[in-house]
Amino acid sequence: DAMVIQNPRYQVTQFGKPVTLSCSQTLNHNVMYWYQQKSSQAPKLLFHYYDKDFNNEADTPDNFQSRRPNTSFCFLDIRSPGLGDAAMYLCATRQALNTEAFFGQGTRLTVV
Amino acid sequence: QKEVEQDPGPLSVPEGAIVSLNCTYSNSAFQYFMWYRQYSRKGPELLMYTYSSGNKEDGRFTAQVDKSSKYISLFIRDSQPSDSATYLCAMRRNDYKLSFGAGTTVTVRA
Repeated sequence: DAMVIQNPRYQVTQFGKPVTLSCSQTLNHNVMYWYQQKSSQAPKLLFHYYDKDFNNEADTPDNFQSRRPNTSFCFLDIRSPGLGDAAMYLCATRQALNTEAFFGQGTRLTVV
Repeated sequence: QKEVEQDPGPLSVPEGAIVSLNCTYSNSAFQYFMWYRQYSRKGPELLMYTYSSGNKEDGRFTAQVDKSSKYISLFIRDSQPSDSATYLCAMRRNDYKLSFGAGTTVTVRA
């Protein structure tokens, strides 16, 4: 059974049109991450939550926002997607005292 | 200089060969070291995790960490075509941020 579920798997959006990606988890982990991964590159951390505490990476563009309404769900909002935002977006979770991070299958975002 | 360096390959080996992958890093504060496998268009899957220096074996997979050299390795014995994937090294300090290498693409030829 999938433990970290990302929806949709593939998302096509228009340039400048807001888009929301979602992640849910059944693990009850208190840490949730959003990563951006471009082709042949390392996943790049955008932000993470420790419970409700939000931690933004210094180089994450303001265009990217996140919400975590409860333990199970986390959303990535891209306010005005540009062509350079086309990438795979990965959600991951981890229990604070556990070193393993579990990833979802990712959402591949295309901007047209 | 990137925090984690990993040769992107690609690496092509015949079935049954030993696959050798490695990463170097610059941050001496890293304590936890992981290898993830990522199939095309899928999310990373945790393969191995080690804490500090030493070796860890799990089936056909062996992970090594040499903190004095800031060097980690993953060996895959008796490689199979199903091992064809991108392998990402990852590491972190005693906090929440995972730092990844760019990944090495491996093809095992039948």
